[in-house]
Amino acid sequence: SAVISQKPSRDICQRGTSLTIQCQVDSQVTMMFWYRQQPGQSLTLIATANQGSEATYESGFVIDKFPISRPNLTFSTLTVSNMSPEDSSIYLCSVLTGGTEAFFGQGTRLTVV
Amino acid sequence: KQEVTQIPAALSVPEGENLVLNCSFTDSAIYNLQWFRQDPGKGLTSLLLIQSSQREQTSGRLNASLDKSSGRSTLYIAASQPGDSATYLCAADTDKLIFGTGTRLQVFP
Repeated sequence: SAVISQKPSRDICQRGTSLTIQCQVDSQVTMMFWYRQQPGQSLTLIATANQGSEATYESGFVIDKFPISRPNLTFSTLTVSNMSPEDSSIYLCSVLTGGTEAFFGQGTRLTVV
Repeated sequence: KQEVTQIPAALSVPEGENLVLNCSFTDSAIYNLQWFRQDPGKGLTSLLLIQSSQREQTSGRLNASLDKSSGRSTLYIAASQPGDSATYLCAADTDKLIFGTGTRLQVFP
C-alpha cells in the first residue's frame, strides 16, 4: 500500500489566480497521476508525472493551464493556473504500487469564485 | 476507447441487506479491475483489486467478481451497515485507469 498526503484539503480562490496542490508519498514511486473530478462527475486523468521528465498530458489538458512538477520520487505538485469558476473541482493525486494497485490522496476541493 | 458504466447510479437500502453493485466495461483487454469507495468531498479508498487472471477477490464483507469475456464486474456487500454509505467507483486498467460514474449508496438504520 501507499500513504499519500495531499494539501491543501480545500481552498476558495479568486478567479484569475493560481493554486498549487502538493502531493507527498511515503515511498518512492515511478509515476504519479493527477486527476480532476468535476461536480457530480467521475474522475478524469489530467496527466502522468515521471521524475526527471516532463509530464504527459491527456487530451483536453495543457501544460500552461496545469503545470506539474516532479522533483523527486516521493513528491509532485499540480498548479491550476488563471483559474475560472469552471475549474471548481476535486483534484486528486494517485500512485500505483507493484505496478497495479492504485492509491489516492484525500483530494483537494477547489472552489473558484 | 474504453468506457465504464455503473448501475445503479444510486441505491438506498435498509441496514442488513445484501447488495450487488454492477460495473461493465467495453474493452475486455484490461490488466485489472479495481473497486474504490469515496466519501463526500474526499479522496478514494481502494477496496479490492482483481487481476485480469483472477475471477474474484474478497475482503471482509466485500466480494468482487470479474468476468472479462462479458465485460462485467460486480461488488457484493454482505449485511450492509450505515457506515457503508458512500459512492462506490470501479475502474478498468487499460494502460490508464478509466473510471465509471459510480453508485451512490445510502444505508439507513
